[in-house]
Amino acid sequence: GAVVSQHPSRVICKSGTSVKIECRSLDFQATTMFWYRQFPKQSLMLMATSNEGSKATYEQGVEKDKFLINHASLTLSTLTVTSAHPEDSSFYICSARAGTSRIEAEAFFGQGTRLTVV
Amino acid sequence: ILNVEQSPQSLHVQEGDSTNFTCSFPSSNFYALHWYRWETAKSPEALFVMTLNGDEKKKGRISATLNTKEGYSYLYIKGSQPEDSATYLCALSGSARQLTFGSGTQLTVLP
Repeated sequence: GAVVSQHPSRVICKSGTSVKIECRSLDFQATTMFWYRQFPKQSLMLMATSNEGSKATYEQGVEKDKFLINHASLTLSTLTVTSAHPEDSSFYICSARAGTSRIEAEAFFGQGTRLTVV
Repeated sequence: ILNVEQSPQSLHVQEGDSTNFTCSFPSSNFYALHWYRWETAKSPEALFVMTLNGDEKKKGRISATLNTKEGYSYLYIKGSQPEDSATYLCALSGSARQLTFGSGTQLTVLP
């Protein structure tokens, strides 16, 4: 299957700083990437849909000024957590689907990033 | 907001036992249902994508069925092995191709 690389896998940062997480599709072009967040013992919650060359679409309740998403190329999307606070500590994971409109096209996931804000 | 539910939340079975778990979802506006297997420290791995009512898919000892009219899918594992231990996620595909996930079933197969 296709490969999506996400890094860093773990990051610890100080409160008030910003953290950038990268998601790359290594062997296919991803016109759309999705960013999810997982709280302990809960399901993956969609944060935003990242579209190459245009603004991301954020889910209700997700602050777009806090979680900056950039999808500048067909193989790279970044999520920047700005002015991080301890409540932003969570597991973040990206997924990408190939450039196809087939609704049944499978999504490929990165390995996830465990963010801890101290 | 789509509500995808999985049960049970966790499950322990003995090696060699067969097991199954459930994914429930709203039956209206159905596009596709995905099953993923997620092992610790790895990326979720796609198992099946199903779109048609009555679909049955199989991969080795793992199979899945789909009932879109009543809004459920079953995942079956025959003759469970310790390497089957993982969290199994189902997800509903939306019109914008985003996935709405259930909270997963954590399976532990005891040797």
